[in-house]
Amino acid sequence: DVKVTQSSRYLVKRTGEKVFLECVQDMDHENMFWYRQDPGLGLRLIYFSYDVKMKEKGDIPEGYSVSREKKERFSLILESASTNQTSMYLCASSLWGQDYGYTFGSGTRLTVV
Amino acid sequence: DAKTTQPNSMESNEEEPVHLPCNHSTISGTDYIHWYRQLPSQGPEYVIHGLTSNVNNRMASLAIAEDRKSSTLILHRATLRDAAVYYCILSSGGGADGLTFGKGTHLIIQP
Repeated sequence: DVKVTQSSRYLVKRTGEKVFLECVQDMDHENMFWYRQDPGLGLRLIYFSYDVKMKEKGDIPEGYSVSREKKERFSLILESASTNQTSMYLCASSLWGQDYGYTFGSGTRLTVV
Repeated sequence: DAKTTQPNSMESNEEEPVHLPCNHSTISGTDYIHWYRQLPSQGPEYVIHGLTSNVNNRMASLAIAEDRKSSTLILHRATLRDAAVYYCILSSGGGADGLTFGKGTHLIIQP
């Protein structure tokens, strides 16, 4: 089975801290994605990447950056965490092409205090 | 992106079939129809997807209308573990530019 592993299930950080959320997939997928999920707002796409060192902005990229130095790893970076970034963060990956589904990780619940 | 419309919630009984509807009247010819579900406190899980023909897999069946303006996810025999939010999503662009999730249908299974 394809696995998408997020490094932490729960994370508590202070306002202003730099935060790294790590995601690793083990099936050689080209595409990787970061979403956040908030009650009443659903899942929203933050950034995605279709190749190493490539990145594209999603619907809500403000306050975030990403890094993809290796194909299997996609990192989400909060340069200076704020309380409005408290959320569930979900990573996903997929093969290139329309005929494939996405595989999601279990999520990281980040609380910024 | 073309939009989908789903009922907010549905209720069904355990061990009975469940038909989850989705309307997508503005679907384009290259849009795939994807279904995902999200159990409480977990990430979304891929269920099934298709383009024009009906599809079956071990989890569910997908029935696509002939004009492709609607589709139905069929769970053949619901269990309590099928209680989840089910999302119907249209995907284009090679699958590389992300899926746009709506609010989905909250499926409640009664024992």
